[in-house]
Order: sequence, then structure tokens, then C-alpha cells
Amino acid sequence: SYVLTQPPSVSVAPGKTATITCGGNNIGSQSVHWYQQKPGQAPVLVVSDDSDRPSGIPERFSGSNSGNTATLTLTRVEVGDEADYYCQVWDSRTDHPVFGGGTKVTVL
Amino acid sequence: EVELVESGGGVVRPGGSLRLSCAASGFAFDDYGMSWVRQAPGKGLEWVSYMNWNGGIIHYADSVKGRFTISRDNAKNSLYLEMSSLRAEDTAFYYCVRAIAIAGTNWFDPWGQGTLVTVSS
Repeated sequence: SYVLTQPPSVSVAPGKTATITCGGNNIGSQSVHWYQQKPGQAPVLVVSDDSDRPSGIPERFSGSNSGNTATLTLTRVEVGDEADYYCQVWDSRTDHPVFGGGTKVTVL
Repeated sequence: EVELVESGGGVVRPGGSLRLSCAASGFAFDDYGMSWVRQAPGKGLEWVSYMNWNGGIIHYADSVKGRFTISRDNAKNSLYLEMSSLRAEDTAFYYCVRAIAIAGTNWFDPWGQGTLVTVSS
């Protein structure tokens, strides 16, 4: 089955930029979606279809996807951005969704 | 406001059964596929099952196939997950999610608040 690989953790200082990667074989040919999950809360969609932001998601959140890596970029990071972030694709071969293992973003 | 509210979680013994429910509101429920996604405490997200708008397409993760059954009642705007032969490894928060399908992909939005299922003797 298709595998998505994320770094377990990313640390970033307030006001700086955090980059969260999601690796997969030729992932650039697929649509990647990103979710934010704060402690004790349900996940929230922050980017769909590689780079689209749902209503209410700040412009500081942006996504890109090419080759074997998709990226979620958080600019001007705030303490409130501390959360786990998960990438997801829809595996057309199995007609199942696949999630990455998640990346914990810590704002130092 | 689009909202999903799960219920039915609890503590159950290994080998037991449980039925989860999800009440949907704020959107045309019968226009969307729906899924269940679970998360073991301290772990990542694991997709469990999917049903399309009319129940004509159903999928399960290999880990639950043959033990879990997804269903829906569009007249009641409700999604269900019947779980049997429960194991300790089924312990998790279970989230009800709406599937947005566009151009060969699906994403999940929104998510319910989750209901905790604990399988323990």
C-alpha cells in the first residue's frame, strides 16, 4: 500500500517559518491534504488539494507538492500553531485514504 | 453550521460489541460520502471505513474487515459503525468525518469531536 512519510517533529521560533514535509513515491501526481490537530481536539482541515485553504484558515498556511515531496509551510509562526500536522492522500489503487504518521510542531 | 456529533463510545470487554452513531447537521447529508477515522491514544490517524452517499460503495481497512459494519440512514441524517469481536488494539477515539470528493481524490471536512472506545477486561 502507499506510504506517506513525515518527520516526527519540527521546532520553530515564534515569527519564523516552519516547513513540514510529506514524502511519497511520485506524490506530486496526487492531491495532498493537510490537517492540524491541537492537543485534546479533533483534526481540522487546513489545506486541501495541495494548496487550497478552506475558509477561515489564515494565509500563513500554504501548501505545495512536487516530485516525491509535498510541503506544508507555516509562515510567521505563532504559539497557537503548536499542534500535530497530518498529510493525507487518496490511494486510487485501493480506493482508500492514506495518512502520514504526523509531525509535531513545537514553537520554542 | 456544519456539525457532526458522535455518540456510543464506552468501555467494552475483548470480544464484545459496540455501536457508534454520528448525527449530522447543517448540510445535505445524502449528498456526501462519510467515513470513520480512529486514533489510538497518543498515536496517529487511521482510516477505518467509508460509505458513499447511498450505501452503494463501502470500504473497510484490513484491520477491521469482517468485524466492523458501516451503515447510514439518510432520512435521519445519521451514520453508524457496528463493531464486533473487539480487541484491545481497537481502543481509540473514533471520529465521524464528511468526505469531500473532487476529481478522483477525497478529503475529510469537518470532523466530529470523537467518541472514545476502550476495549479492556
